[in-house]
Amino acid sequence: EAGVVQSPRYKIIEKKQPVAFWCNPISGHNTLYWYLQNLGQGPELLIRYENEEAVDDSQLPKDRFSAERLKGVDSTLKIQPAELGDSAVYLCASSSGGERGYNEQFFGPGTRLTVL
Amino acid sequence: GESVGLHLPTLSVQEGDNSIINCAYSNSASDYFIWYKQESGKGPQFIIDIRSNMDKRQGQRVTVLLNKTVKHLSLQIAATQPGDSAVYFCAERGAGSYQLTFGKGTKLSVIP
Repeated sequence: EAGVVQSPRYKIIEKKQPVAFWCNPISGHNTLYWYLQNLGQGPELLIRYENEEAVDDSQLPKDRFSAERLKGVDSTLKIQPAELGDSAVYLCASSSGGERGYNEQFFGPGTRLTVL
Repeated sequence: GESVGLHLPTLSVQEGDNSIINCAYSNSASDYFIWYKQESGKGPQFIIDIRSNMDKRQGQRVTVLLNKTVKHLSLQIAATQPGDSAVYFCAERGAGSYQLTFGKGTKLSVIP
């Protein structure tokens, strides 16, 4: 079974430029998560999707970050414009339905963003 | 021994010894806890979980202990192997919530 796929794996941009990250979850997984992970820290949730609906985006900085999951499968996370402080690893995870909350989240390898 | 590094607490153990990684969680209402392993350049990988109605759960070479009185979680790895070298994170989930809150990781280094 293929895992969560993310691309690109690495991205280097100059500040004020836009950037986009793509995620393809495990087939059949309805729930998709985007996390931000700073160096030496645990992942922090940015947004959670149930199918195509963003059901928790309370921690997404909406002035510069946006996300979409139009067909309820793959998803894109965008930053525009990027700032120096956005340098981090952006992780995507997915999980299947089941007993509420007790379902394992499978993480992709992440996209390491460096903003210069 | 255990030391606090610049970014992460680090635990160094000899190959074959047992490892104990500790985690203090913050929310007394959390009802679900997970340990993740993260190798360099990879995303976190599920190791073992435990619900708040339990105080111990065993897997293959791993055991998780939960002490709700002091809000403490530990991961025990038996017969630690070089492949166990990674950063380990505990995560907690509040009752009725989907959101996982990750703790500060611990870097485990296994000395061959």
